[in-house]
Amino acid sequence: QQPVQSPQAVILREGEDAVINCSSSKALYSVHWYRQKHGEAPVFLMILLKGGEQKGHDKISASFNEKKQQSSLYLTASQLSYSGTYFCGTDWGFQKLVFGTGTRLLVSP
Amino acid sequence: GAVVSQHPSWVICKSGTSVKIECRSLDFQATTMFWYRQFPKQSLMLMATSNEGSKATYEQGVEKDKFLINHASLTLSTLTVTSAHPEDSSFYICSAQTRGVFYIADTQYFGPGTRLTVL
Repeated sequence: QQPVQSPQAVILREGEDAVINCSSSKALYSVHWYRQKHGEAPVFLMILLKGGEQKGHDKISASFNEKKQQSSLYLTASQLSYSGTYFCGTDWGFQKLVFGTGTRLLVSP
Repeated sequence: GAVVSQHPSWVICKSGTSVKIECRSLDFQATTMFWYRQFPKQSLMLMATSNEGSKATYEQGVEKDKFLINHASLTLSTLTVTSAHPEDSSFYICSAQTRGVFYIADTQYFGPGTRLTVL
C-alpha cells in the first residue's frame, strides 16, 4: 500500500529536466515532497493540498491530481545539488505520512 | 527555522544492551513527533507517533516493549531500543511536526538521524 514512485532512478546531465511521479492507492489529503542525501535527514521541499494545486520555488515545482491520486515533482534545469533520493509523503487523513518507494536522482556535470 | 536535532548521530553497542536516542525541536514546539526506521536504499518506515504527555501510538508490527518512546515535553522525545540485537541495526530518524495554521497543512521536519549498529 506504500505509494509507488516512478522512475526508481534517473541520471541527468546538469541543466536537464526530470519528472518524478508518486501514485497512491488511497485518496489523498495532501502530498509532501522531501529530498534526502546519502546518510542525511530528509529535507522538506513542499506540500500540496487537496484542490489540485501546483506549487513551486526556484526551479522545482509540483502538481497534485486529486482524481488520479497522483502527484508529480518537476525539476527543471537541474543542478548538481539536486542529486539525492526524492520521497513523496502521502497524507491519507490519519495524522501521519506514508512515504513512497523513493526515486534516486543523480545529476552529473 | 524548524530545526530538529538528534543525539547521538551514531552508536555502536553490544547485543543485549539498551540504547537511548534523543530528538529535540530547537526553535519550535512540537506536539507531535514521529520515529522512523530506514534500511539502506529503502524508504522511511514509520515506527510510532509520539504525542506530548500521552502514550505513543505504534505501527503494526512494531514491538512497543522493545522500542520505548517518551515524549516528556513539547521539544523532546526519546526512543529507547531495549535489549538490542543485530537485527535492530538501522538508521533511526525522528521528525517533529509544526502545527499548520488556517489551510496550511502540518509539516514534518526531520532530525539528522542516528545510525545504530548492534554487535
